[in-house]
Amino acid sequence: QKEVEQDPGPLSVPEGAIVSLNCTYSNSAFQYFMWYRQYSRKGPELLMYTYSSGNKEDGRFTAQVDKSSKYISLFIRDSQPSDSATYLCAMGLGQAGGFKTIFGAGTRLFVKA
Amino acid sequence: SAVISQKPSRDICQRGTSLTIQCQVDSQVTMMFWYRQQPGQSLTLIATANQGSEATYESGFVIDKFPISRPNLTFSTLTVSNMSPEDSSIYLCSVVRGDYGYTFGSGTRLTVV
Repeated sequence: QKEVEQDPGPLSVPEGAIVSLNCTYSNSAFQYFMWYRQYSRKGPELLMYTYSSGNKEDGRFTAQVDKSSKYISLFIRDSQPSDSATYLCAMGLGQAGGFKTIFGAGTRLFVKA
Repeated sequence: SAVISQKPSRDICQRGTSLTIQCQVDSQVTMMFWYRQQPGQSLTLIATANQGSEATYESGFVIDKFPISRPNLTFSTLTVSNMSPEDSSIYLCSVVRGDYGYTFGSGTRLTVV
């Protein structure tokens, strides 16, 4: 079993839709959770990070963490064609764990105009 | 956040040859990381490069195949040696931000023929 599981998609939605991207994980020791966005031919860029269960909102993006279920989500409201990219979840250990970070394989998202 | 310049952005190489990838950061950082991203797979950490000491390699990666230099706090190189088609991948350097998130370079797309 992989430490982090992420559906590769592709996920295709119409412009304006609410997008839900998800990851599950197996290591209950993970302390921080992140979402990255990667455009074609570019490196990943950090979108959201959080340390605790619950929701964190930043503009059209909401990151949700459920540590009891080992499940994290990224919601994108009012999706735009410019949101078309691959989204990678990542989670890791803090200093005590050597800052080990594990990435999901990424979900490809297409937002159609 | 740090700005990372990585080059070359892409290359096509003959099997058996070596390619050196350069990574330049616009600020001093303690740790630099080298990742590999294969199609449909998650980012895999190759090694951590610390200035003034030997790089620390992850399981499955060895120094003879992926020698790394870290001559100062803003620069690192990764060499992919004696290449085979299985080495075709995207190689990314990154640094850690204070909030545990990574900043990535744009990546080097390597094709071995």
